[in-house]
Amino acid sequence: AQKITQTQPGMFVQEKEAVTLDCTYDTSDPSYGLFWYKQPSSGEMIFLIYQGSYDQQNATEGRYSLNFQKARKSANLVISASQLGDSAMYFCAMREGYSGGGADGLTFGKGTHLIIQP
Amino acid sequence: DAGVIQSPRHEVTEMGQEVTLRCKPISGHDYLFWYRQTMMRGLELLIYFNNNVPIDDSGMPEDRFSAKMPNASFSTLKIQPSEPRDSAVYFCASSLRGMLGNTEAFFGQGTRLTVV
Repeated sequence: AQKITQTQPGMFVQEKEAVTLDCTYDTSDPSYGLFWYKQPSSGEMIFLIYQGSYDQQNATEGRYSLNFQKARKSANLVISASQLGDSAMYFCAMREGYSGGGADGLTFGKGTHLIIQP
Repeated sequence: DAGVIQSPRHEVTEMGQEVTLRCKPISGHDYLFWYRQTMMRGLELLIYFNNNVPIDDSGMPEDRFSAKMPNASFSTLKIQPSEPRDSAVYFCASSLRGMLGNTEAFFGQGTRLTVV
């Protein structure tokens, strides 16, 4: 079974609109971290935002926020006021078992290709 | 710190040749990961190290692939012999050990491997 599921292969959004990129995850580990990365056409992987499984509040980083719904195992990325430079692939990832001990590698979803239109 | 440094950035080789990809993690990071990215399979974790010790190599596709981390500042991923289906972008990433905190992995620029 897939650990990270991103159901939107591609999205077109008008500039300045808000965007929600979906991510659901599957784990039985109580300790895990959820991450979003951006990969522009140049190919590098850019870390955007992180949410820990024990965090009480949703994470925010500038225009990025993470809508964390633990019971539903959902960690959607919200980009407010989208910009042309936001056009890229976006990957949701999970890292299990890191709190207080060893950590596993990041498991990535298949990604969502976001295109911002002027 | 210069970030995670990978070399070469691009590699074109003939089928059957040995290929060695190199990685220098961020100083002080004790986890190192090797990933492969293809259109078909996305980002796959091949192997990761903790304190220079391989922890999980279950993602290594077959015996043609091997990885080493002789010290905290250097790792290699070797493919011998290479095949056209090994063509992909190979990423190295490093991170700190997690302790109820943000332990994001920092990625190198990747090595684009083409096997002809």
